[in-house]
Amino acid sequence: SQQGEEDPQALSIQEGENATMNCSYKTSINNLQWYRQNSGRGLVHLILIRSNEREKHSGRLRVTLDTSKKSSSLLITASRAADTASYFCATALSGGYQKVTFGTGTKLQVIP
Amino acid sequence: DTGVSQNPRHKITKRGQNVTFRCDPISEHNRLYWYRQTLGQGPEFLTYFQNEAQLEKSRLLSDRFSAERPKGSFSTLEIQRTEQGDSAMYLCASSSDRGSKPHEQYFGPGTRLTVT
Repeated sequence: SQQGEEDPQALSIQEGENATMNCSYKTSINNLQWYRQNSGRGLVHLILIRSNEREKHSGRLRVTLDTSKKSSSLLITASRAADTASYFCATALSGGYQKVTFGTGTKLQVIP
Repeated sequence: DTGVSQNPRHKITKRGQNVTFRCDPISEHNRLYWYRQTLGQGPEFLTYFQNEAQLEKSRLLSDRFSAERPKGSFSTLEIQRTEQGDSAMYLCASSSDRGSKPHEQYFGPGTRLTVT
């Protein structure tokens, strides 16, 4: 079963706008990761945030983590048509487990 | 670094037949993962290898599924007596427990299985 649930399920924005996706999860985690998947490049790792971190940046990506609310958000600034893809959050549980559990994904469409 | 490769990319088989998929991880990666993804869903974890040892298995991995990683290099995933419910994309990923990004998994393009 999926641990994470992304919200919204689908998002359509104009190029240049910002896109925000949210992820909620159920159990304590070691880290949370965001991945992008499109038909051209498959599943690609974007960013990882550890449970003791609150915010992380990578280029146009900004990720926040609120462990008290068991939620994370991914912000893509100044979106481009090439950002069109499905975005998944994935959680790694505490305790040294290597299993990563993916959410259901947000399908983002960026209109040129 | 040639990336993770998977073969075949597509497989169509009849119900009841056995199929085997192969994954070649990034050469220096000691960890290897198998996932299954159905349409509209995120990948679901199946199993994980550290070198040649299979350390975690999902309850999704029924008795019909078996995975191996001989010599800690490539891995195979076999499905025996396939069922229509096995139709999915099977993804392989690898990572290294050394270096600056031990948790970053690199995914292959997947093998799409269709059971008719």
